[in-house]
Amino acid sequence: AQKVTQAQTEISVVEKEDVTLDCVYETRDTTYYLFWYKQPPSGELVFLIRRNSFDEQNEISGRYSWNFQKSTSSFNFTITASQVVDSAVYFCALSEPNTGKLIFGQGTTLQVKP
Amino acid sequence: EAQVTQNPRYLITVTGKKLTVTCSQNMNHEYMSWYRQDPGLGLRQIYYSMNVEATDKGDVPEGYKVSRKEKRNFPLILESPSPNQTSLYFCASSFSGVRMNTEAFFGQGTRLTVV
Repeated sequence: AQKVTQAQTEISVVEKEDVTLDCVYETRDTTYYLFWYKQPPSGELVFLIRRNSFDEQNEISGRYSWNFQKSTSSFNFTITASQVVDSAVYFCALSEPNTGKLIFGQGTTLQVKP
Repeated sequence: EAQVTQNPRYLITVTGKKLTVTCSQNMNHEYMSWYRQDPGLGLRQIYYSMNVEATDKGDVPEGYKVSRKEKRNFPLILESPSPNQTSLYFCASSFSGVRMNTEAFFGQGTRLTVV
């Protein structure tokens, strides 16, 4: 069965610290997509990144970077020089190829203190 | 602006009173779906639709109905709401659920309380 595990329930850091959010997934499919979403206190789900299973290149977008390692079934997310506005719940998700369903991890609550 | 629009954003209703949460997307996406988010249970898919007139059950379909008569709209219907359907609901759309070659766009969420 497919599964996404975000072992860190809550993380608290001080502004300007770097922080890494872990995501480990399980799937038997050879083709799949991985996602990260941000849910700020206002409640909406904001898309951050999509990565397909054939592309293991790491990606950087401003202060955000993602490390995809197929060998360890991990898709970790790093925020460099965190800011208070980064405080949110972050979800990692895996797509189910036959249905298009997104299988979400339980989420990691990140608190960035000034 | 590309978006998924849900209405209403907030709703308090009484047990048994039928309600509909609307969802509309302006991106000509084929795939649409509904999720509910509950503390401790995360996000779970309720129903999905691969295209017009093609809907199927997700993980938690009991107590819900959907329809897909037009590509842009995918309403969620609660025929007889019960308190255990109190939740935060999200509508999502993407170009193709199976190929998933675009990101899944989510609506702003509908916070439903059934008393």
